[in-house]
Amino acid sequence: QSALTQPASVSGSPGQSITISCTGTSSDVGSYNLVSWYQLHPGKAPKLIIYDATKRPSGVSNRFSGSKSGNTASLTISGLQAEDEANYFCCSYAGSSTSVVFGGGTELTVL
Amino acid sequence: QITLKESGPTLVKPTQTLTLTCTFSGFSLSTGVVGVGWIRQPPGKALEWLALIYWNADRRYSPSLKSRLTITKDTSKNQVVLTMTNMDPVDTATYFCAHTKLTMAIGPTPSFEYFQHWGQGTLVTVSS
Repeated sequence: QSALTQPASVSGSPGQSITISCTGTSSDVGSYNLVSWYQLHPGKAPKLIIYDATKRPSGVSNRFSGSKSGNTASLTISGLQAEDEANYFCCSYAGSSTSVVFGGGTELTVL
Repeated sequence: QITLKESGPTLVKPTQTLTLTCTFSGFSLSTGVVGVGWIRQPPGKALEWLALIYWNADRRYSPSLKSRLTITKDTSKNQVVLTMTNMDPVDTATYFCAHTKLTMAIGPTPSFEYFQHWGQGTLVTVSS
């Protein structure tokens, strides 16, 4: 059981937008803006797509955006493309004792 | 360009100790507010953070696995080594190492910020 809760799966048609939620607690997501999101394609290295809850690394499409409210962070992908089909994991700093927690992951299917 | 590559055995027996090496290039683990982390993913399951080592040799471990893990660094070789004792079939997973961005914005000591660059991972199977 992961520390952060994500929906197991989401789907959308090309061109649509989807949002993946990541719910934590006041000890992690709620206390720090240190939320990051990763895209995993099978057999490939995971890719950082959002950091500090809302920032996008250089080279990541502006179709990816992040937000946070209270204990829940969210990843929105707009203008869905076939290449976006992947697994997405959120991650948060969780204080000096626990340090790092991940979500359970969300499988995105582009219909 | 930052690259990382994991290496180690693909098969270990139950109760054995696993030793994995992360060899990296494109950054130094002796300067800057950076670290290297280890993360694993059992087949079909979630990512799980294991350990972090900072540029200043400070270490952090997953509370649930702390008693089994040791992380060390060899700055001269640009390597980070993770050992995990008493391996069990449930430890079967792809193990990743990652260049880690730390922040001083939270307090007087560095805190995890995000995993910026990842290796491809190495699959370790635990079976007799």
